[in-house]
Amino acid sequence: EDQVTQSPEALRLQEGESSSLNCSYTVSGLRGLFWYRQDPGKGPEFLFTLYSAGEEKEKERLKATLTKKESFLHITAPKPEDSATYLCAPHEDTGRRALTFGSGTRLQVQP
Amino acid sequence: DVKVTQSSRYLVKRTGEKVFLECVQDMDHENMFWYRQDPGLGLRLIYFSYDVKMKEKGDIPEGYSVSREKKERFSLILESASTNQTSMYLCASSHPSDRTYEQYFGPGTRLTVT
Repeated sequence: EDQVTQSPEALRLQEGESSSLNCSYTVSGLRGLFWYRQDPGKGPEFLFTLYSAGEEKEKERLKATLTKKESFLHITAPKPEDSATYLCAPHEDTGRRALTFGSGTRLQVQP
Repeated sequence: DVKVTQSSRYLVKRTGEKVFLECVQDMDHENMFWYRQDPGLGLRLIYFSYDVKMKEKGDIPEGYSVSREKKERFSLILESASTNQTSMYLCASSHPSDRTYEQYFGPGTRLTVT
């Protein structure tokens, strides 16, 4: 069973059309949930860390929220420059060094 | 501005060749990472280094080794390249402890092994 599932796999929005991306995880003992953005041909860029249920973080048109089993990335009035793949990664309290990255949601915002 | 650079954007090697991928960061970060990224499999950690000459295996270390002789430089070595090592390789760095996973990534090296 996958530990991290991101949905949808791909999302196409019109400019200004708000929506949410989902990251569901089954890891135990969550130490943190990380969101990254990845543009084509580039490495991921760190966006947010969430540590506990109920926590929210905002950056421009993006707001990340966390519950016990999932995280949402809300995009308000997106612009074409928000087009990218968004990756989430929970960090387990197991001593593993590695994050378990989801496969991402590929977002396309059309003008 | 923070920066992680990788020695090549694209690389083509033959099966059996020894391959070196270099990564340099200018942020004085203690932690450095090597990942590979494949469609449908996401990012997977190959090796992690938390200090000069210190390293830990990630989830998929088989067929790879690493070297960290200086704080700013972390090298990934494919001892004998194979076609299943064709992938995008990403290097990252970060501060230690609670900021370990707020990572800065390089642009990636797309390696093709023929």
